[in-house]
Amino acid sequence: EAGVAQSPRYKIIEKRQSVAFWCNPISGHATLYWYQQILGQGPKLLIQFQNNGVVDDSQLPKDRFSAERLKGVDSTLKIQPAKLEDSAVYLCASSLMIAVATDTQYFGPGTRLTVL
Amino acid sequence: AQTVTQSQPEMSVQDAETVTLSCTYDTSENNYYLFWYKQPPSRQMILVIRQEAYKQQNATENRFSVNFQKAAKSFSLKISDSQLGDTAMYFCALLDRGSTLGRLYFGRGTQLTVWP
Repeated sequence: EAGVAQSPRYKIIEKRQSVAFWCNPISGHATLYWYQQILGQGPKLLIQFQNNGVVDDSQLPKDRFSAERLKGVDSTLKIQPAKLEDSAVYLCASSLMIAVATDTQYFGPGTRLTVL
Repeated sequence: AQTVTQSQPEMSVQDAETVTLSCTYDTSENNYYLFWYKQPPSRQMILVIRQEAYKQQNATENRFSVNFQKAAKSFSLKISDSQLGDTAMYFCALLDRGSTLGRLYFGRGTQLTVWP
């Protein structure tokens, strides 16, 4: 079974530029999560999708961050414009079941973003 | 609010020895789950072990076991017979079932190094 796929693995941009990250969850997984992991910290949830609907985006900086999961499969996270403090690893995770909050989350390898 | 605290930024152990990583947490919920995740240099977060708060018996997975003290809100991870491949960042995480579906709250992590 293929795991969670993310691309690119690395991205370097200058501040005020735009960037997009892509995630393809494990086949059949209904729930998809985007986390931000700043160096030296644990991951923090940015947004959670259930199929193509947003379940929780309370910690997403909506003035610059956006995310979509149009067909309920893969997802894109965008930052526009980027700030220096957005430098982090962006992790995507997915889980199988819809109604069971305790289902295991499987993580992708992440995208390391550096904003100069 | 849910918080997870890992007070040991770094730990080291010789291979074949035993090491214990500490974690304390705070939540007002009675129904929650606790996890230990491992993040090697590849950045892929891997679930090591999980504990349901309603279960008194401590979870075990091969060389990994936990000491869950609910009253003290403590959740330590013991790694027996440490191996070089156990070198990684270890994150303790809390998931409560009382509110948002599936949000994990992570600690800041403990970097474990296993020496030959």
